[in-house]
Amino acid sequence: QVQLQESGPGLVKPSETLSLTCTVSGGSISSSYWSWIRQPPGKGLEWIGYIHYSGSTNYNPSLKSRVSISVDTSKNQFSLKLSSVTAADTALYYCARNTNYFDYWGHGTLVTVSS
Amino acid sequence: DIQMTQSPSTLSASVGDRVTITCRASQTISSWLAWYQQKPGKAPKLLIYKASILESGVPSRFSGSGSGTEFTLTISSLQPDDFATYYCQQYDDYSRTFGQGTKVEIK
Repeated sequence: QVQLQESGPGLVKPSETLSLTCTVSGGSISSSYWSWIRQPPGKGLEWIGYIHYSGSTNYNPSLKSRVSISVDTSKNQFSLKLSSVTAADTALYYCARNTNYFDYWGHGTLVTVSS
Repeated sequence: DIQMTQSPSTLSASVGDRVTITCRASQTISSWLAWYQQKPGKAPKLLIYKASILESGVPSRFSGSGSGTEFTLTISSLQPDDFATYYCQQYDDYSRTFGQGTKVEIK
């Protein structure tokens, strides 16, 4: 059973870079695509982007200029960086396995952007 | 970009009711559509993929239909565990887009 766990700071200052890591267990990261998805408090789901274990990526056009997703196959991890954050980036951030649809999800980690 | 629009945004229903949620795509997506259920404080759970294929372990009272631009999720007999928010998601192009969600509330 594939399991995902997000980790990273829960508080980020405005204009700084949000950094999160997702650790995959119960399966190899070298078998699929992997995504980041976020959900602002009380709102809907927004796909941020995905990465293939080979390193190829695709990002949501609305976030593309600020997003970078990377993979570390030796650690079975993939990571998210979102630069120049504002209060609008406050959200619950999920990582998920992306076989076109999202069949395995992490529990999510809340990131608050505030000074 | 492909936009996904769900209706209604909120639905009030009783246990035992038949419930239908609609999802419309801004352009044709063949059958590349998934449905999720999300309960408060929990990650979304995959219910259906490729418009009508039930994910393993999902009760058979859930069903999906449609192709092209119009899709439906039907719960044949609403159970207490089904009160939640439901999202559709397209995977036709290189992007992934969710609908805005439909909250199913107790009437």
